[in-house]
Amino acid sequence: GIQVEQSPPDLILQEGANSTLRCNFSDSVNNLQWFHQNPWGQLINLFYIPSGTKQNGRLSATTVATERYSLLYISSSQTTDSGVYFCAVTRNSGNTPLVFGKGTRLSVIA
Amino acid sequence: DTGVSQNPRHKITKRGQNVTFRCDPISEHNRLYWYRQTLGQGPEFLTYFQNEAQLEKSRLLSDRFSAERPKGSFSTLEIQRTEQGDSAMYLCASSLAGSGNQPQHFGDGTRLSIL
Repeated sequence: GIQVEQSPPDLILQEGANSTLRCNFSDSVNNLQWFHQNPWGQLINLFYIPSGTKQNGRLSATTVATERYSLLYISSSQTTDSGVYFCAVTRNSGNTPLVFGKGTRLSVIA
Repeated sequence: DTGVSQNPRHKITKRGQNVTFRCDPISEHNRLYWYRQTLGQGPEFLTYFQNEAQLEKSRLLSDRFSAERPKGSFSTLEIQRTEQGDSAMYLCASSLAGSGNQPQHFGDGTRLSIL
């Protein structure tokens, strides 16, 4: 099956710093989503981005499907950005189940 | 749009007991997925439905696990004779099926602890 690798596994930032999280996948994909799992375990949709670039406030994401990677940018980080960021993909069309990476654990320190 | 709702939020039970979780998807979504997440890992797929039809089951879904979606709306996931290894967060997601792909939206999960 498709493999999803995220880096770095852990990241500690000072409040206000910027960061880039990476997601590599082993095959072509039809769906790619970025999620933020907060300390209470809630999995929050950030982006649905099988290709191209999107921005939402301080967050933006870019997926280069032909090179099989996606990047999540966090600018001016805040303590509320802490948690685990997951990338998830599906290879087949038609909303088949997602395959998740192991996540990047982000800690933002005031 | 009230989002995906899961009940209960937490369940603590003794080994060997049966447990049942419920998921109510976003109302117009016809696809419903169950995932399991253990500590330090990403969610892993268990099974999914389109309307009332169960389309796929992962090898993680042992014969102690059963899922239903009888009327194509809410779904239940039952675990029989629970084992300590069943302790995990159980997540439900829903999406629209149709032409193209649609994002999956997740509920807040049910955290299961086996004593």
